[in-house]
Amino acid sequence: EAGVAQSPRYKIIEKRQSVAFWCNPISGHATLYWYQQILGQGPKLLIQFQNNGVVDDSQLPKDRFSAERLKGVDSTLKIQPAKLEDSAVYLCASTSGYKDTQYFGPGTRLTVL
Amino acid sequence: AQRVTQPEKLLSVFKGAPVELKCNYSYSGSPELFWYVQYSRQRLQLLLRHISRESIKGFTADLNKGETSFHLKKPFAQEEDSAMYYCALSGGNQGGKLIFGQGTELSVKP
Repeated sequence: EAGVAQSPRYKIIEKRQSVAFWCNPISGHATLYWYQQILGQGPKLLIQFQNNGVVDDSQLPKDRFSAERLKGVDSTLKIQPAKLEDSAVYLCASTSGYKDTQYFGPGTRLTVL
Repeated sequence: AQRVTQPEKLLSVFKGAPVELKCNYSYSGSPELFWYVQYSRQRLQLLLRHISRESIKGFTADLNKGETSFHLKKPFAQEEDSAMYYCALSGGNQGGKLIFGQGTELSVKP
């Protein structure tokens, strides 16, 4: 079974620029999560989707971050404009049901200069 | 407040020595507790969860509700156990989102 796919794997941008990340979950997984992992910390949830609906976006900085999952499969996370403190690894995870095991993608490492 | 605390950033042991990675949590209710592991250049993956009460790769963890702890233990460490270990919790009404600790790097020396 193919795992969670993410792209790009690495991205370097300057502050105030925009960036987008893509996630393809495991086939059939209805629940998708985006986590932010700052260096030296554990992952922190940004947003959770159930199919194409948002379940929890309470920790998403909505003035600059947005995410969508239009057809209930792939998802994109966007930052506009980026700040230095957005430098982190962005992890996507998916699960067939919210009580089931979350499977993580390899992450996208973002560096904001 | 919901929180997971891993007091050690780095734990270094010799091969064959016992290992205990500490995890304490704060949660009002009945959370589900997990240990995730990330080996070098690999993705984050589930090691074990308290409800399954399994032993995975020789690791065990017991949920102590009185002490709000979920420490990870292995009697004899192997070099291939070297990795980052994250303790995490999920609340019953939280939609499955995971709250992670800051992680402990385990280094097993030969």
